[in-house]
Amino acid sequence: EDKVVQSPLSLVVHEGDTVTLNCSYEVTNFRSLLWYKQEKKAPTFLFMLTSSGIEKKSGRLSSILDKKELFSILNITATQTGDSAVYLCAVLDSGGSNYKLTFGKGTLLTVNP
Amino acid sequence: DTAVSQTPKYLVTQMGNDKSIKCEQNLGHDTMYWYKQDSKKFLKIMFSYNNKELIINETVPNRFSPKSPDKAHLNLHINSLELGDSAVYFCASSQVPIDLSSYNSPLHFGNGTRLTVT
Repeated sequence: EDKVVQSPLSLVVHEGDTVTLNCSYEVTNFRSLLWYKQEKKAPTFLFMLTSSGIEKKSGRLSSILDKKELFSILNITATQTGDSAVYLCAVLDSGGSNYKLTFGKGTLLTVNP
Repeated sequence: DTAVSQTPKYLVTQMGNDKSIKCEQNLGHDTMYWYKQDSKKFLKIMFSYNNKELIINETVPNRFSPKSPDKAHLNLHINSLELGDSAVYFCASSQVPIDLSSYNSPLHFGNGTRLTVT
């Protein structure tokens, strides 16, 4: 069975801190790893990582994938209260044309002023 | 011009009732999904349909019956509702094959239906 494990499950920091969120996975037919941010509604897409060692950046957020060790990290620098959310890691796997996105349980990030 | 729309947004009902949630996408995608998110925010796939054909069914009780009248619609009917069915249900769609070089999410999510069973 496909497995995606995130750590920590929750994290409380102060504004300005840097955080690192972890995601490890075991899937049969790996295609890519994705990060989402979820506040009140549907998950909001952050990154899709397909190749090892290539960092993706968007403002204060960055992420990298290690396909040998089967994990990814999401970094957020200079955190702001608006970064408070659940961060979801998901792995896309496929058998033929059947694609499935398997999610981890998420990391609840709370950024205090 | 909402891409993936679900109705209703909220559904409160009593145990034992039967209810339906509707989902429609106007993206021209071939594949649609239902996900269940529990109170701890764990998002778990329930079903996937490709061109009206069921392709993923993840050990969901048979009280849950998805129906896809056409590739733009995937509805979820739930019989004999139980307390444990209380959750947020998300519909999503994607085009296959998925473009792994895209800067966008491969899945487009609806805004969810919050189901409360009392």
